[in-house]
Amino acid sequence: DAGVTQSPTHLIKTRGQHVTLRCSPISGHKSVSWYQQVLGQGPQFIFQYYEKEERGRGNFPDRFSARQFPNYSSELNVNALLLGDSALYLCASSSKGAKNIQYFGAGTRLSVL
Amino acid sequence: QKEVEQNSGPLSVPEGAIASLNCTYSDRGSQSFFWYRQYSGKSPELIMSIYSNGDKEDGRFTAQLNKASQYVSLLIRDSQPSDSATYLCAVIPPSSGGSNYKLTFGKGTLLTVNP
Repeated sequence: DAGVTQSPTHLIKTRGQHVTLRCSPISGHKSVSWYQQVLGQGPQFIFQYYEKEERGRGNFPDRFSARQFPNYSSELNVNALLLGDSALYLCASSSKGAKNIQYFGAGTRLSVL
Repeated sequence: QKEVEQNSGPLSVPEGAIASLNCTYSDRGSQSFFWYRQYSGKSPELIMSIYSNGDKEDGRFTAQLNKASQYVSLLIRDSQPSDSATYLCAVIPPSSGGSNYKLTFGKGTLLTVNP
């Protein structure tokens, strides 16, 4: 079975631009969470979606938004990019009743110049 | 106080030794605890999950949980050079705003196993 897949792998943008990151969960998983990891830090929670509804939001500005589609894949959108948005963006999927275990994709490395 | 704190690294051990990684958390009432391993430039990989007080063993890895002391640890026996990575402690606190999946991570501890 395929794991969590994310695209693109790498992305370079300039300040002020917009970016869309994509994630497909493990087959059968209905929950998708997004995390931001800057160099030298642990991942920070951005959003969680379950059954297409937002179930949790971290301490991130409104420039960050996300959605989940009927096939449970998800998009993370970031508007008006800042240099500080440069990070590894991780998507994790989980299955209800699986003791909150989350499995991470390989991530999208975003560089903002 | 930070929500999840890990012992400052880096930690260096010789091959075959026991590596001990420690983590404390601030939110009493947290119920789910995880250790992830992250190789440089890669994404976190789940090693262990633990939910009740005591020890949980899986191969060379042992996770220990003490909820009264708000302390989680990971022991790696017979450490191998391939264990060299950053180890992330993660907790799901009760104050997760309705989300059962909001992992709160520590900064991680870099472990180096020397041949």
